[in-house]
Amino acid sequence: EVQVVESGGGLVQPGGSLRLSCAASGFTFASYSMNWVRQAPGKGLEWVSYISSSGNTKQYADSVKGRFTMSRDNAKNSLDLQMNSLRDEDTAVYFCVRDSGTSRYFDYWGQGTLVTVSS
Amino acid sequence: SYDVTQPPSVSVSPGQTAIITCSADRLGDKYASWYQQKPGQSPVLVIYEDTKRPSGIPERLSGSNSGHTATLTISGTQAMDEADYYCLVWDSITAAVFGGGTKLTVL
Repeated sequence: EVQVVESGGGLVQPGGSLRLSCAASGFTFASYSMNWVRQAPGKGLEWVSYISSSGNTKQYADSVKGRFTMSRDNAKNSLDLQMNSLRDEDTAVYFCVRDSGTSRYFDYWGQGTLVTVSS
Repeated sequence: SYDVTQPPSVSVSPGQTAIITCSADRLGDKYASWYQQKPGQSPVLVIYEDTKRPSGIPERLSGSNSGHTATLTISGTQAMDEADYYCLVWDSITAAVFGGGTKLTVL
């Protein structure tokens, strides 16, 4: 069974940092691109970042570019999102999402981890 | 930026057909996918590559994509279909873009 499980969310002050992790199982992790998608309270889905299967290609939404860094460890089947210079508007549930590949749809989603940026 | 537009809400009576649209420039040249999200749950893929249904998704959900509009159609809508629906499009410059979401209400 395919599973992606996020962890690392919590309360952080504006300007602070937080590192989210995603543990993958039930599939050949090294063969799939991955994404982070977030959802602010009561709002819609927002794509945050993408990493290719090898980790060589990364893309970021303009709203997080220069502040967030996505990485992966294929040997450990894990994915990370380092979030720096956090702002109030980064408050959201963050989902780790498997990318289908060529057709670019998101076929498996984690349960999400809540990040709250507040003083 | 690449803008993807959905109606904020759609209402339908049980048993009727619900149509949810997703509009963007030259959307028909790209693949659209659709996601269903119920309160407190993670999104679930319901349509991919414009028209395909993942295993376990009822046949009453179908998709199409042409011109500037992708469409999710739910035939014989049931109470269990009440949810938020999002379309997703990949743009070569912007990368992934979600529509704003459509709240489907089954009256």
